[in-house]
Amino acid sequence: GAGVSQSPRYKVTKRGQDVALRCDPISGHVSLYWYRQALGQGPEFLTYFNYEAQQDKSGLPNDRFSAERPEGSISTLTIQRTEQRDSAMYRCASSLAGVMNTEAFFGQGTRLTVV
Amino acid sequence: GQQVMQIPQYQHVQEGEDFTTYCNSSTTLSNIQWYKQRPGGHPVFLIQLVKSGEVKKQKRLTFQFGEAKKNSSLHITATQTTDVGTYFCAGYMGIVSGGGADGLTFGKGTHLIIQP
Repeated sequence: GAGVSQSPRYKVTKRGQDVALRCDPISGHVSLYWYRQALGQGPEFLTYFNYEAQQDKSGLPNDRFSAERPEGSISTLTIQRTEQRDSAMYRCASSLAGVMNTEAFFGQGTRLTVV
Repeated sequence: GQQVMQIPQYQHVQEGEDFTTYCNSSTTLSNIQWYKQRPGGHPVFLIQLVKSGEVKKQKRLTFQFGEAKKNSSLHITATQTTDVGTYFCAGYMGIVSGGGADGLTFGKGTHLIIQP
């Protein structure tokens, strides 16, 4: 596609359930980033990949959060045993190369609501 | 930890007035990027500044990077209703500055509200 695609756009889940959020980056983009954005706040870094390698996961809040990008393209962010505090907009971004040199293109995000 | 602070949080202006948002980092930055997010939308890249003291212009927007590479500003001249949105700075710390999360660190943003 022309841009970064995220699915689902909206997800409502019950507390304690696992969720998987998908990101399809722009074709050919090496770097892929996951951010979480609370209402009225800036995006908060979670993790990022270069190709299939997870370069940094220090922003993941705890071990219930994990991400993968097995073939260096599509990525999945998984949250296990969801809690209400996990409710937020989850945004994926991709860039052609590392963040040092090129802009990050953001997807529309997945709005997660844990009830 | 690394922090990027942005002020003001909200700015109300009359259409035609100027607007400035300021960004300060607790550590020296390798580069800084600016993004605009319209209500209900996603952040969209505006510009990247890399060099100490760099100034870049895009029509009515002027971006500056401080000499110490720890602060930046965005100035909009003669605001228009199309400028409404939230403006975020995002700093990249890089390996030189001591590591930590390798992604962009975003400020909380400045919400620009324009009254016609």
